Amino acid sequence: AQSVAQPEDQVNVAEGNPLTVKCTYSVSGNPYLFWYVQYPNRGLQFLLKYITGDNLVKGSYGFEAEFNKSQTSFHLKKPSALVSDSALYFCAVRDIGGTGGFKTIFGAGTRLFVKA
Amino acid sequence: EAGVTQSPTHLIKTRGQQATLRCSPISGHTSVYWYQQALGLGLQFLLWYDEGEERNRGNFPPRFSGRQFPNYSSELNVNALELEDSALYLCASSFRRTTGNTIYFGEGSWLTVV
Repeated sequence: AQSVAQPEDQVNVAEGNPLTVKCTYSVSGNPYLFWYVQYPNRGLQFLLKYITGDNLVKGSYGFEAEFNKSQTSFHLKKPSALVSDSALYFCAVRDIGGTGGFKTIFGAGTRLFVKA
Repeated sequence: EAGVTQSPTHLIKTRGQQATLRCSPISGHTSVYWYQQALGLGLQFLLWYDEGEERNRGNFPPRFSGRQFPNYSSELNVNALELEDSALYLCASSFRRTTGNTIYFGEGSWLTVV
């Protein structure tokens, strides 16, 4: 079965510094990977996804993610963090079910704090 | 273009009662997904509906049920409410069931069971 892990509960970074939020996955076939962000008391907003193609995926708000097949990782990155980036970030993997169905499985989330 | 809309925003129920949550997908989307986000437990997959049929179900008891209407809107019913059902319930939608499609979330419905 597919699974996704976010090894850090919390990441702290100073404004203007680069940030990385880590994600590793386990899939039995081709991976379909997603990043979402959740601001307090809000739903999840889609940031970016990897389906196939270039290993570096660019998304919303200046975020990008690097797909690394050998390390089964899909880390989220941003060259220069903003205070407004402080939020809860979720990595997700598409679980391809046996009957043709599928579901999206989410990691536990990583809380990002950007300090001014 | 309107996003995924959910109602009510907040709902307070007493233990043992039933709760009904509603979701309207993005126009053109035929798949609707329900997730539960309880404090400290992350997002747990509940149900997936596509073209009016239940396509997949998470590890939740049968008292969690739902349906999808011909206009692709959906409702989630939770019977015999328990205190542990208190959570944010998120609905999401996507185009037809294709593995690479992105799912988009609504703002959620807060259910409090007292």
